[in-house]
Amino acid sequence: ILNVEQSPQSLHVQEGDSTNFTCSFPSSNFYALHWYRWETAKSPEALFVMTLNGDEKKKGRISATLNTKEGYSYLYIKGSQPEDSATYLCAFTDSWGKLQFGAGTQVVVTP
Amino acid sequence: NAGVMQNPRHLVRRRGQEARLRCSPMKGHSHVYWYRQLPEEGLKFMVYLQKENIIDESGMPKERFSAEFPKEGPSILRIQQVVRGDSAAYFCASSPTGGGSFNTEAFFGQGTRLTVV
Repeated sequence: ILNVEQSPQSLHVQEGDSTNFTCSFPSSNFYALHWYRWETAKSPEALFVMTLNGDEKKKGRISATLNTKEGYSYLYIKGSQPEDSATYLCAFTDSWGKLQFGAGTQVVVTP
Repeated sequence: NAGVMQNPRHLVRRRGQEARLRCSPMKGHSHVYWYRQLPEEGLKFMVYLQKENIIDESGMPKERFSAEFPKEGPSILRIQQVVRGDSAAYFCASSPTGGGSFNTEAFFGQGTRLTVV
C-alpha cells in the first residue's frame, strides 16, 4: 500500500448500534497514525495519535487500535449517537513528518 | 493561545487573477501543512513546510502554485492565474516542532474557500 486507504467510504448506523471502520497505511517508514473527526462546515479535530504497534486509545465511546506490522488501524464507535455523525479521517505520518490523509469514512447515525 | 488562523475565510477571484491564502500557525508551531478539498473529495496533501524550508511539495501542481513559510509572518499559498478548477476549500494545519518527533497532533484552521468566477 502506497497511500492511506479508508473503508468503507460511508456507512449508515442506527442510533445505539456499534460500528467500526478501517484505515490501511504503508507499513514501511511508519512514524505515527492519526485519527480526526470532521464535521461539516468545521475544521478537522484530532481524536487520537498512535505510534506503537498494538496501541489502543479510547475517548468516551470512541476507541482505536493500531497494527503497524500489517499496516492497519480500526476505529470503533460504541452505542452510536446522532452527534457522532461526521467524516472520520485517518492520517499517516512518515519519518519525514509528512502527514498524509485518507479520503475518510462518512458516518451517518440515524435516530 | 489562538488556534490556527486562516484568512480570508472566503475568497472570490476572476479567472486569471492571483489568489493569496494566509495561514498563521499556532504559537510555537513551526510545521505547516496545506491541503485542498475539492467538492465531494477528501483532503489532498499539497505541501509541507517548516520555517523557511519546503520539506515536501509532492502534492503541489507544477505550475501556478507556490507556497512559502518565512521566518516571520504567516505561511502563504499563492495561486497565479487562477482557473475555475482551482475552486476548492484550502486547509492549513500546524504542528509543533519536536526535533523529529512527529507523533503530535496537527491542528487545523477553518479553511479558505476559494471561488473562481
